[in-house]
Amino acid sequence: AQKITQTQPGMFVQEKEAVTLDCTYDTSDQSYGLFWYKQPSSGEMIFLIYQGSYDEQNATEGRYSLNFQKARKSANLVISASQLGDSAMYFCATGNQFYFGTGTSLTVIP
Amino acid sequence: GAVVSQHPSWVICKSGTSVKIECRSLDFQATTMFWYRQFPKQSLMLMATSNEGSKATYEQGVEKDKFLINHASLTLSTLTVTSAHPEDSSFYICSARDTGHYGYTFGSGTRLTVV
Repeated sequence: AQKITQTQPGMFVQEKEAVTLDCTYDTSDQSYGLFWYKQPSSGEMIFLIYQGSYDEQNATEGRYSLNFQKARKSANLVISASQLGDSAMYFCATGNQFYFGTGTSLTVIP
Repeated sequence: GAVVSQHPSWVICKSGTSVKIECRSLDFQATTMFWYRQFPKQSLMLMATSNEGSKATYEQGVEKDKFLINHASLTLSTLTVTSAHPEDSSFYICSARDTGHYGYTFGSGTRLTVV
């Protein structure tokens, strides 16, 4: 099984600032996808962004971007212009069966 | 977009009883669905992969006889927690992949409390 590591259990960011959430992975697959999901307190899982391992450019979706460094096996999520509604758990995931990292709890401070 | 409907959203049951959780893909066919379990402030742990028309594939350490999975059609997978005990209390969530979408779509989850 793939192994996903998120080393930041909790993060704080000032409203309107940018924040980077770390994710490293370990896989022997040649082709794979990396996903980030947001989980607010309600429990729902909200898809944020996807990066394919063969994509040459870093993925972007609105205020979300992915800093993908294939050689280092890292796929960090960058949230720009943080908003209070961004406070939630964030999970990195990969693999055909979709294994998740341990998650990072993000709190946006007014 | 793809929608996965999960019911019930919460359930309280007595110890020793069984509880069934349903997951339906509303606007797409899901040959494969995944079932996860999540304890408070922890990550989602994959329990099993549910394949339409065949037996589910369980992750190591997950009791097959305790967590019965049935994927009888391309739009419905069910998870039955048999003879539930308080330690089975958790948040259970399913997901499926719509081939036209990169991400996996999740159900809204079921909070199970066994008393």
